[in-house]
Amino acid sequence: DVKVTQSSRYLVKRTGEKVFLECVQDMDHENMFWYRQDPGLGLRLIYFSYDVKMKEKGDIPEGYSVSREKKERFSLILESASTNQTSMYLCASSVAGGELTGELFFGEGSRLTVL
Amino acid sequence: KQEVTQIPAALSVPEGENLVLNCSFTDSAIYNLQWFRQDPGKGLTSLLLIQSSQREQTSGRLNASLDKSSGRSTLYIAASQPGDSATYLCAVIDSGNTPLVFGKGTRLSVIA
Repeated sequence: DVKVTQSSRYLVKRTGEKVFLECVQDMDHENMFWYRQDPGLGLRLIYFSYDVKMKEKGDIPEGYSVSREKKERFSLILESASTNQTSMYLCASSVAGGELTGELFFGEGSRLTVL
Repeated sequence: KQEVTQIPAALSVPEGENLVLNCSFTDSAIYNLQWFRQDPGKGLTSLLLIQSSQREQTSGRLNASLDKSSGRSTLYIAASQPGDSATYLCAVIDSGNTPLVFGKGTRLSVIA
């Protein structure tokens, strides 16, 4: 089974802190994604990556950056956390190419609270 | 720009009932469509993936159908159980390697 692991399930940070959210997948997937989920707003794409060292902006990249130094790991960085970044963050991965292209597998989520 | 809509936003049914969840999308030129389940405070679990060349997929009590020409997919749940209570989301892929576009989900409650 595909496993996507997010390093922290719950985090509490203070305004202005730098926050790292780590995500690792074990199925050699080319594509990785970061979403945030808020009540009433649904899932919104922050950043995604189709390959190592590549990144693409999603719908709401402001205030975030990402790093993909290895194929299996995709990190989301909040350079200076703000209270409006309090949210559930979801990492996902998918294979590229073939009939199952795009089939998305999610981690358990990281609930971030910024005080 | 592709838009995905799920109606109703919430649904409550008695245990044992068969039910249908709806998903519609604006651009019929999709590559694949995927249904997910999400329990409160958890990530999304993939239920079914329907490739654009397929009309339906089945897994246990779940059956998902796809009608690209009308821009619709339905998720049929047979003999619903309280354990089916969750939010169900659908998402479409417009082309081979683009991010999925998600609906906002239908929150299902199955009452014992």
